[in-house]
Amino acid sequence: DSGVTQTPKHLITATGQRVTLRCSPRSGDLSVYWYQQSLDQGLQFLIQYYNGEERAKGNILERFSAQQFPDLHSELNLSSLELGDSALYFCASTVTGDPGQPQHFGDGTRLSIL
Amino acid sequence: AQSVTQLGSHVSVSEGALVLLRCNYSSSVPPYLFWYVQYPNQGLQLLLKYTTGATLVKGINGFEAEFKKSETSFHLTKPSAHMSDAAEYFCAVSGSGAGSYQLTFGKGTKLSVIP
Repeated sequence: DSGVTQTPKHLITATGQRVTLRCSPRSGDLSVYWYQQSLDQGLQFLIQYYNGEERAKGNILERFSAQQFPDLHSELNLSSLELGDSALYFCASTVTGDPGQPQHFGDGTRLSIL
Repeated sequence: AQSVTQLGSHVSVSEGALVLLRCNYSSSVPPYLFWYVQYPNQGLQLLLKYTTGATLVKGINGFEAEFKKSETSFHLTKPSAHMSDAAEYFCAVSGSGAGSYQLTFGKGTKLSVIP
């Protein structure tokens, strides 16, 4: 158990819809990362937050947004969903968000778009 | 920009044989290197990491990796494969420069262990 909690585990929805994925980091961790894992693109970094502030942005679509709340949990919002958004979405956390720290991953949310 | 290449999307070994999973990286700054393992329907679990210091890094479950700067490699090895090692393995790099806080992953190597 990594200590990172992601909900829901599975999400099935239709094209054009909007969903929210939730992540609770390990106790004491201030930084949260979001990744997308798909068969064609592999594991891709989306966005990083540190103590409520955005720190780094990767290949995140404009239809996607995220935030980190004062209690340090984070949410990833995906809107106007397309078939290609079907993927496994992972959240990871570290204490300070510095590069040398190993990231601890949750079990992911599997998003299926019908 | 940093990148990772894992040679071989699938590797099969016999139980008890040597496991060698290859990883080469590209980074414009001194890298931090990691190996993660992913079991079916689970998240990624850290096997080992290289930050600074000793170039031979020991991890969990008997795995180790050697950082070779001259070859820009960070290959993962285990002397004797066990059935429970069957999983997908990811090599990842992060750097110390701007824009390199995140992990950049290779495409993964699926390890099969034949009884």
